[in-house]
Amino acid sequence: DTEVTQTPKHLVMGMTNKKSLKCEQHMGHRAMYWYKQKAKKPPELMFVYSYEKLSINESVPSRFSPECPNSSLLNLHLHALQPEDSALYLCASSAGQGFGEAFFGQGTRLTVV
Amino acid sequence: GQQLNQSPQSMFIQEGEDVSMNCTSSSIFNTWLWYKQDPGEGPVLLIALYKAGELTSNGRLTAQFGITRKDSFLNISASIPSDVGIYFCAGQIQGGSEKLVFGKGTKLTVNP
Repeated sequence: DTEVTQTPKHLVMGMTNKKSLKCEQHMGHRAMYWYKQKAKKPPELMFVYSYEKLSINESVPSRFSPECPNSSLLNLHLHALQPEDSALYLCASSAGQGFGEAFFGQGTRLTVV
Repeated sequence: GQQLNQSPQSMFIQEGEDVSMNCTSSSIFNTWLWYKQDPGEGPVLLIALYKAGELTSNGRLTAQFGITRKDSFLNISASIPSDVGIYFCAGQIQGGSEKLVFGKGTKLTVNP
């Protein structure tokens, strides 16, 4: 099983809303990632969690707040987003140390209105 | 930030033709990964490479990890319409963390 599950698949939110994106994997992976992807562009790294600790924050605005409740779950809390934050948000996981294959979820298509 | 140069940017081919795309970098990589992404979906891992010179196949796909560890190529043989999509190379830089760097992608169109 190489499945990474993201919910919801689509999300429309207003600029004053608070919402959360969720990601789950049951591969025993210890590294989990959030990526943002705009149309016709490659995925752009936002955050990396390694062994449930935040190891990389690519200077992401504070209106995006990641959380890793346990080794299988990863959340991305959204607050006061801007229309330019509309994008496909991708979660991925990998074995961690020494890296290895990274598996992606299907993404959440976020539209900020 | 670190950059991967992926080429070509797009390809238009006839069904049955072979396809080749590649990625290069000025940095040494520990790992090369090749993904395919369909519109509105997440990238799907096609092939993973871990050793310099490694040549790995997955069905009609073949990829190689360059000897210098700064490049990789992906070949698709006998293309079919469902090969349409965007192909990304990605890699982990030597001495880096779990950060995965992506190329800009190659958009493949296959005409039946």
